[in-house]
This record gives sequence, structure tokens and C-alpha cells, in this order.
Amino acid sequence: AQSVTQPDIHITVSEGASLELRCNYSYGATPYLFWYVQSPGQGLQLLLKYFSGDTLVQGIKGFEAEFKRSQSSFNLRKPSVHWSDAAEYFCAVGARAAGNKLTFGGGTRVLVKP
Amino acid sequence: ETGVTQSPTHLIKTRGQQVTLRCSSQSGHNTVSWYQQALGQGPQFIFQYYREEENGRGNFPPRFSGLQFPNYSSELNVNALELDDSALYLCASSLKQVNTGELFFGEGSRLTVL
Repeated sequence: AQSVTQPDIHITVSEGASLELRCNYSYGATPYLFWYVQSPGQGLQLLLKYFSGDTLVQGIKGFEAEFKRSQSSFNLRKPSVHWSDAAEYFCAVGARAAGNKLTFGGGTRVLVKP
Repeated sequence: ETGVTQSPTHLIKTRGQQVTLRCSSQSGHNTVSWYQQALGQGPQFIFQYYREEENGRGNFPPRFSGLQFPNYSSELNVNALELDDSALYLCASSLKQVNTGELFFGEGSRLTVL
């Protein structure tokens, strides 16, 4: 069965500082990996996705993520955080065999200090 | 291009009642998935509809049911509501043919069961 773990429930970062959110997944085959962001009271917006190929993927809003098969990880990074990045971030795993079903982690809430 | 829209945005029900939530998929998308997001948790897959038939189901009881219509819009029905059904219900649309798990989410319907 697929599973996703986001070890950090909350992260507080100063505006302008770098950000890294951790994601570990469990899946037998090559997964499809996603990061979504959810602002308060909103739905989920896709930040970036990994299907195959280059293990460093670029997304919207200046985010990037790196797929490391040996560590079963897909960590999200941003070099310089803006106050508007305060939100909840979800890592998710899917697979061709699972159709369009995604398994989500529990989320990491990011707070940005001025 | 029209995004995913859901209605109602908020509703309150009492235990034992029934509820119907509605979703219009993004233009051109033929697959609709429903997710339940309890407070402080990541979304959980309920089921998916393609060509008006259920095409995958998560670990939810039969009192959670759905429909998909010829225009690809969808309904989620929950019977015999329980307190634990209080959650944000997210609808997501996608293209079945793509089958990569890339989903486009609506803003959700927040259900409170008293």
C-alpha cells in the first residue's frame, strides 16, 4: 500500500530565508510524486510534479523538489520565502496502476515571520 | 478555461441526515474524484468516477455514494451522517487518458455535522 509521511507538522521561517519541507513515501513501483499547497479555506493548488526523468523538478512560485529514490524522499525547497508562502503544504504519491488516486501526507503548516 | 467548482461552500447538518454535494469538473476533463479532508489532516480518497461509473474506491463505507452525469459533473451523497463526517470535501477533475494522477481541485464544501 502507498503511504506518505511528512515529518514536520509545523515550520516557522523568516521572510527571505530558505525553506525545505520533507516528504518520505512508501510505494513498490516508481511513483508519481506531487506537492500541493493549500491556503486557509481554499482547495489544493499543484506546485509541481515528478513522473520520470530529471530528478530535480521546478514548479510554480519559485519552488523546486528533488526525487531521491534511494531515500524514498521528495523534499520541497524554496531559496527565499515570501510572506505569501504561508500555507499548508501536502506531499502526495500516485501511480499509473492506481489510476488517478492520490495518497496524501498529513501536511506541513508553514508560518512566515516578518 | 473554467476551473472546478463546488457547491455549497458551507453547510450544517445533524446526525442521521443526508447530504448531497455537487461538483462541476474543469472544462475538457472526464474524470472526477472526491476526497475527504478532516481538520488538520491530509485529504483521503473516497472514490473516482469515469464514464458515469465508479472507477476506484477508498476505505469509505457504502453510505458514501456518488454519481457522474453525461456532462462529467458529479455528486457526492452521504447518508446517515455521523459526527466524524464533519470535514472539507474536495472534488478534483482530471483526464482519464492521461492517468498520471495530476488532479485539479475545487475549493471544497465544508460540512459540519452536529
